[in-house]
Amino acid sequence: SQKIEQNSEALNIQEGKTATLTCNYTNYSPAYLQWYRQDPGRGPVFLLLIRENEKEKRKERLKVTFDTTLKQSLFHITASQPADSATYLCAPFDRGSTLGRLYFGRGTQLTVWP
Amino acid sequence: KAGVTQTPRYLIKTRGQQVTLSCSPISGHRSVSWYQQTPGQGLQFLFEYFSETQRNKGNFPGRFSGRQFSNSRSEMNVSTLELGDSALYLCASSLSGGGNTGELFFGEGSRLTVL
Repeated sequence: SQKIEQNSEALNIQEGKTATLTCNYTNYSPAYLQWYRQDPGRGPVFLLLIRENEKEKRKERLKVTFDTTLKQSLFHITASQPADSATYLCAPFDRGSTLGRLYFGRGTQLTVWP
Repeated sequence: KAGVTQTPRYLIKTRGQQVTLSCSPISGHRSVSWYQQTPGQGLQFLFEYFSETQRNKGNFPGRFSGRQFSNSRSEMNVSTLELGDSALYLCASSLSGGGNTGELFFGEGSRLTVL
């Protein structure tokens, strides 16, 4: 069966450090993979998308890598800030799916402490 | 540009009742999806509508239904509510058309509590 695993439920790091979140998937053939941020009681917000033929994507302090051989995506936040504290969700887009259907991981709750 | 609007934001129902949730997508978005989020299961896909047609459905019982109107607004209905239906229900819209990569724009959700 299809499965998405995000490295841990919670990650605590000190301000200024780099946070690295992991997303592993099985039984998917994603054309691309998306990352979302979710704050408590709010809907997820799209952050980044990386395609299968892209190894790395950057946006400001965010960096995403995508290794289709390892079936893994890494999400990095450099120079982390307390405002980065949130739950981060990965969502590989399955080739056989329709645009509105994403399979989400359970998410990693990131806490950045001063 | 207005975002995705969901109403109501909070509601409390009792077992056996039914509930209707509403979603207004971003203007120009024709795809509307619904997701259920619970602490135990995470985000689970319910269904997707595109141009008034359901084109994808998740693994939920028939008590969960939805529809989309010609203006792309969507509603979902849950009948015969059970305690386990307590969740945050999220609506998401996306832009259709060539080159679209499926970025979803979520609303703030409707928090349903079943007593």
